[in-house]
Amino acid sequence: QSVLTQPPSVSAASGQKVTISCSGGRYNIGSNYVSWYQILPGTAPKLLIYYNNKRPSGIPDRFSGSKSGTSATLGITGLQTGDEADYYCGTWDGSLRVGVFGGGTKVTVL
Amino acid sequence: EEQLVESGGGLVKPGGSLRLSCAASGFSLSGYSAIWVRQAPGKGLEWVSSIVAGNDNIYYADSVTGRFTISRDNAKNSLYLQMNSLRVEDTAVYYCARDGGGGTLFDRWGQGTLVTVSS
Repeated sequence: QSVLTQPPSVSAASGQKVTISCSGGRYNIGSNYVSWYQILPGTAPKLLIYYNNKRPSGIPDRFSGSKSGTSATLGITGLQTGDEADYYCGTWDGSLRVGVFGGGTKVTVL
Repeated sequence: EEQLVESGGGLVKPGGSLRLSCAASGFSLSGYSAIWVRQAPGKGLEWVSSIVAGNDNIYYADSVTGRFTISRDNAKNSLYLQMNSLRVEDTAVYYCARDGGGGTLFDRWGQGTLVTVSS
């Protein structure tokens, strides 16, 4: 059971938009920045979003992040087949004093 | 180019030990906090341990506390994970990553090394 809760899967047609939610609590998302990671099949995790809504250089603006209270959201617009991957939110939990990840969300392009 | 390369994974019997290494290149690892994360087959990411830059404060997941030890060697620009008393449930791909921002920003990752614990 992950400290952060994500939907197991989301899907949409090519070109459409998906959003992935990440729900936590007062001492993790509520108190710290959230980052998002993409894992393509057979590859290492890749940072997509940091500090809730910042994109590293090279990440297209089709990817966006937001945070409100104890929840965060990743949005992907203009969905492409190359976006089919597993996506994870992550942050620090100041009460547990550990890093925490969501359980992951598989994105499928229909 | 900034890179992290893990090594040291392999097959080990329950109760055995392994030492994972993570060699950094293209940047000085000593200036950053660093973490180990694992992903068991068919499962999600699990944060394992972190070591903080500057004060070397160390944190562990409950699942590995007392069995795993994280350390770094600044002269070798490397991060390590000593894993003792290994269990079948420790089987996973282990990744090292650079923490670019207070435990919430892992911006460089290694390719991962597979640890299999089986009799």
